[in-house]
Amino acid sequence: ETGVTQTPRHLVMGMTNKKSLKCEQHLGHNAMYWYKQSAKKPLELMFVYNFKEQTENNSVPSRFSPECPNSSHLFLHLHTLQPEDSALYLCASSQSYRDPFSRSYEQYFGPGTRLTVT
Amino acid sequence: TQLLEQSPQFLSIQEGENLTVYCNSSSVFSSLQWYRQEPGEGPVLLVTVVTGGEVKKLKRLTFQFGDARKDSSLHITAAQPGDTGLYLCAGAWGGTYKYIFGTGTRLKVLA
Repeated sequence: ETGVTQTPRHLVMGMTNKKSLKCEQHLGHNAMYWYKQSAKKPLELMFVYNFKEQTENNSVPSRFSPECPNSSHLFLHLHTLQPEDSALYLCASSQSYRDPFSRSYEQYFGPGTRLTVT
Repeated sequence: TQLLEQSPQFLSIQEGENLTVYCNSSSVFSSLQWYRQEPGEGPVLLVTVVTGGEVKKLKRLTFQFGDARKDSSLHITAAQPGDTGLYLCAGAWGGTYKYIFGTGTRLKVLA
């Protein structure tokens, strides 16, 4: 596997279900991100992890719970979601933004998980 | 709320035509990136620009960062059906990891 992989690619869940999205990066990066992409809205940053530590929670509801056990893996645990949470959830990785020599943190995205909440 | 406005929102052109899409903001960015996203896939990074006035070329694609680092443009020469997709710009401030994404331009190139 190369790049950033995400599983599952499609997920349909009821509002009372609990499910998890998985992301794995094979690029040797130390920063990982969750984004939400809804129709007609710009990509929204949800969470950022740098060296396994969460450094950003962009006012995301608690029904979304991220987990980063190591620099290569990122999870998004979902419970009691709402229909408006239906969207494409994208994972990305980049070099650590602690690198003082980097002026930009090029993010590499996975293919996304298309989530439908019924 | 900082916004990156992209224009046009939609563009449908014939194969062989040229086009330009724009990314504008009132904010000054330390770097700006362009991505292309195809249906059912994640965005794929095309280019990063970091210097005001910088021009980068990627085959038939030409990217320019505005002198004031508030705007950028993407010009495609002799568009091909394979160029079809959603083009996104993303800007970041002060060497941070926090990119703000634009509203997107959906391009369709007809054979």
